[in-house]
Amino acid sequence: EIVLTQSPATLSLSPGERATLSCRASQSVSSYLAWYQQKPGQAPRLLIYDASNRATGIPARFSGSGSGTDFTLTISSLEPEDFAVYYCQQRSNWPKMYTFGQGTKLEIK
Amino acid sequence: EVQLVQSGAEVKKPGESLKISCKGSGYSFTSYWIGWVRQMPGKGLEWMGIIYPGDSDTRYSPSFQGQVTISADKSISTAYLQWSSLKASDTAMYYCARRRERYFDLWGRGTLVTVSS
Repeated sequence: EIVLTQSPATLSLSPGERATLSCRASQSVSSYLAWYQQKPGQAPRLLIYDASNRATGIPARFSGSGSGTDFTLTISSLEPEDFAVYYCQQRSNWPKMYTFGQGTKLEIK
Repeated sequence: EVQLVQSGAEVKKPGESLKISCKGSGYSFTSYWIGWVRQMPGKGLEWMGIIYPGDSDTRYSPSFQGQVTISADKSISTAYLQWSSLKASDTAMYYCARRRERYFDLWGRGTLVTVSS
């Protein structure tokens, strides 16, 4: 089973700053990694898929990079609405399983 | 509008059974897998299982195999998650989500299940 480890657990930044969130896989997932945003009381929302492709309607300040085992979600300039919890996710081929990282909480400093 | 509409919050006692639902609309329900995701209070996301409504092919996470049953009725574009005997530890928010390729691109708003004596 592939394990996804996110870091840091909590990131404290101010609006306008750049955020860099990390997700590391226990074995290669090629580029098959997604990022989700979850705000309090809301369902998760797909931000990035296949490591670097923005989902429909996602602002350009969100970008993803990486391949293999190391991935990064970058928010270029934080807006007040970006403070939330972010999860990475992958699907392994065998067995066919979907796993999420434990999440990074992005909080206002 | 493309959406997944989940059934309302439930309060149950330990040992009771429960079936919650997820109705898709605005897209071809039988053409996409529907997954179920658990989120325990204050915790992260856990994938439980997934079903293809077109033929009811179902896969479970090993962590949830035998603990829940996932089903679907394609005639009414609805997927289900059910328990035969709830435990207090089943208290959580449960989300259904549509799978597109390897990811979940459309989510329901969640069903809160509370199990308490």
